[in-house]
Amino acid sequence: GAGVSQSPSNKVTEKGKDVELRCDPISGHTALYWYRQSLGQGLEFLIYFQGNSAPDKSGLPSDRFSAERTGGSVSTLTIQRTQQEDSAVYLCASSPRGTGGGKLFFGSGTQLSVL
Amino acid sequence: GDSVTQMEGPVTLSEEAFLTINCTYTATGYPSLFWYVQYPGEGLQLLLKATKADDKGSNKGFEATYRKETTSFHLEKGSVQVSDSAVYFCALSGGLAQGAQKLVFGQGTRLTINP
Repeated sequence: GAGVSQSPSNKVTEKGKDVELRCDPISGHTALYWYRQSLGQGLEFLIYFQGNSAPDKSGLPSDRFSAERTGGSVSTLTIQRTQQEDSAVYLCASSPRGTGGGKLFFGSGTQLSVL
Repeated sequence: GDSVTQMEGPVTLSEEAFLTINCTYTATGYPSLFWYVQYPGEGLQLLLKATKADDKGSNKGFEATYRKETTSFHLEKGSVQVSDSAVYFCALSGGLAQGAQKLVFGQGTRLTINP
């Protein structure tokens, strides 16, 4: 399909391990977002890319979290030395441009469980 | 910074009941307002939006009016169906605060409709 694709759909890891989460946005969408959805919580903004640059990374919770985007397409969110509080659904979304007046297209998310 | 507050759930109604989910926002400037819906097992999708004061967004029988004077964007539906059971998120973007390109979400309201 032509939607936003995220992988893996589920990831179980041990505390202290590093994980990488991948997002393939809709082709041609220049804006890409990462959000986190914890149990019982709303959607927490993590980082926003326009092309390959990240003008807003204000939501990254700590320096254990990083993200990159290459070729204006695929993005990877990396969490180093995972902690139990990192357990959540990580959502990726893309849009043709910034969200002012536009809408985001979301992937189905990666369920991360840190044991 | 910009923020969204929505009515706490869960909300349980009978089929054909009238639905209101309250949403208020805090933002500088003139944000766009959105309602997103997350059906069980699916990703978030845009339900409706309004981009300026007094605009009414509508879709699938749902409506919401952008009220600048009360900084509100309440979601309503005259007669709900079992298939409307989902989590509903109010969101804004495009305020003048730093990071205006991202969507700021409320905490979500879980709606269950009983037959």
